[in-house]
Amino acid sequence: NAGVTQTPKFQVLKTGQSMTLQCAQDMNHEYMSWYRQDPGMGLRLIHYSVGAGITDQGEVPNGYNVSRSTTEDFPLRLLSAAPSQTSVYFCASSLDRVGERETQYFGPGTRLLVL
Amino acid sequence: AQSVAQPEDQVNVAEGNPLTVKCTYSVSGNPYLFWYVQYPNRGLQFLLKYITGDNLVKGSYGFEAEFNKSQTSFHLKKPSALVSDSALYFCAGLSGGSYIPTFGRGTSLIVHP
Repeated sequence: NAGVTQTPKFQVLKTGQSMTLQCAQDMNHEYMSWYRQDPGMGLRLIHYSVGAGITDQGEVPNGYNVSRSTTEDFPLRLLSAAPSQTSVYFCASSLDRVGERETQYFGPGTRLLVL
Repeated sequence: AQSVAQPEDQVNVAEGNPLTVKCTYSVSGNPYLFWYVQYPNRGLQFLLKYITGDNLVKGSYGFEAEFNKSQTSFHLKKPSALVSDSALYFCAGLSGGSYIPTFGRGTSLIVHP
């Protein structure tokens, strides 16, 4: 299994450009989520999904869209990039709700710089 | 509602000495608590979790964590630190009604030779 994969590893955008960060998992996990990591802020939840066709907002959803058309993929779309979206983005997945039997598996991250 | 606090941005310890990385939580109901480690330019790796039962939880790489309900704390500990333990450590918590854990802001652990 490849686990959780993210592409690209690094991206530079100009203000106003749009792009999609890709996340895929091959573990048949139902739950997937996107976090951003900023210095001193830890990981903050952007959006999450509890299954194909079901998504919901996290703590910091503004400026981002998601969709979940398949179990494997959970892309994150930046509609009009802003410098405040410069960050490291992590995708995570789990088979079921995190708890007694399940933990989250994290991808390697995408480093985004918006100029 | 759920929140997790890591009061220290950085912890410095000499190799061979015991280490503690602090975490406090505010989670309704019975909490699920987790510790993750992040090495430079890598994703987060699971270390250990508390669900219920024994207050001392043992995890990967010799780490353990002590759950203290009265102090609402879940501190990460290791009896003898290694230089290779130097990394960023995240505490996370989940309440009974939530789907996704909330993470603390992270603590940078630096182990000096």
